[in-house]
Amino acid sequence: DAMVIQNPRYQVTQFGKPVTLSCSQTLNHNVMYWYQQKSSQAPKLLFHYYDKDFNNEADTPDNFQSRRPNTSFCFLDIRSPGLGDAAMYLCATSRDWDRGQFFGPGTRLTVL
Amino acid sequence: GEDVEQSLFLSVREGDSSVINCTYTDSSSTYLYWYKQEPGAGLQLLTYIFSNMDMKQDQRLTVLLNKKDKHLSLRIADTQTGDSAIYFCAERGNTDKLIFGTGTRLQVFP
Repeated sequence: DAMVIQNPRYQVTQFGKPVTLSCSQTLNHNVMYWYQQKSSQAPKLLFHYYDKDFNNEADTPDNFQSRRPNTSFCFLDIRSPGLGDAAMYLCATSRDWDRGQFFGPGTRLTVL
Repeated sequence: GEDVEQSLFLSVREGDSSVINCTYTDSSSTYLYWYKQEPGAGLQLLTYIFSNMDMKQDQRLTVLLNKKDKHLSLRIADTQTGDSAIYFCAERGNTDKLIFGTGTRLQVFP
């Protein structure tokens, strides 16, 4: 089945230790998004790729970076995680701007 | 700026209908969406409606759009315990991103 896959589902890291979250899709969608969702809040868009074009949200901290080496994969790098970065990180894809976004199951990040 | 609001909680009895409401401010919204999120999971796209439509029905789900009042609703007929989740409405205007509402937690009791 076509889907959005995120690995790992749960990630524990130490304060300040870099971490990378992975997203892959079999939908062949042009657009891939990374969201941060904290408890009882709506998802907050961090950045997205339209093909290879990277679009950063103005309020996304520099601590968050992303890579999209090919259509199928997109990575979220957190260079120096702080306690405030503990959250669920959601990857989503869409074929184009006017289509709904399809979300992966998320990676729950814990920072110790 | 763009803003999307929802009531925080809704509690219904199993078998009844649920109506989840959403208001938005961006009059240029082109598509409006409903997502469902179960505990510890990602968001599941339930349905969407284009802004030139008033209503869309998909099995137990009915979406109503009042563009004049910028009001969107999701009706779930014959609500089941498996429908318990958080429901997010979202709108997309002229930008390339979704603006999500605050989410409505639906609790279904027997």
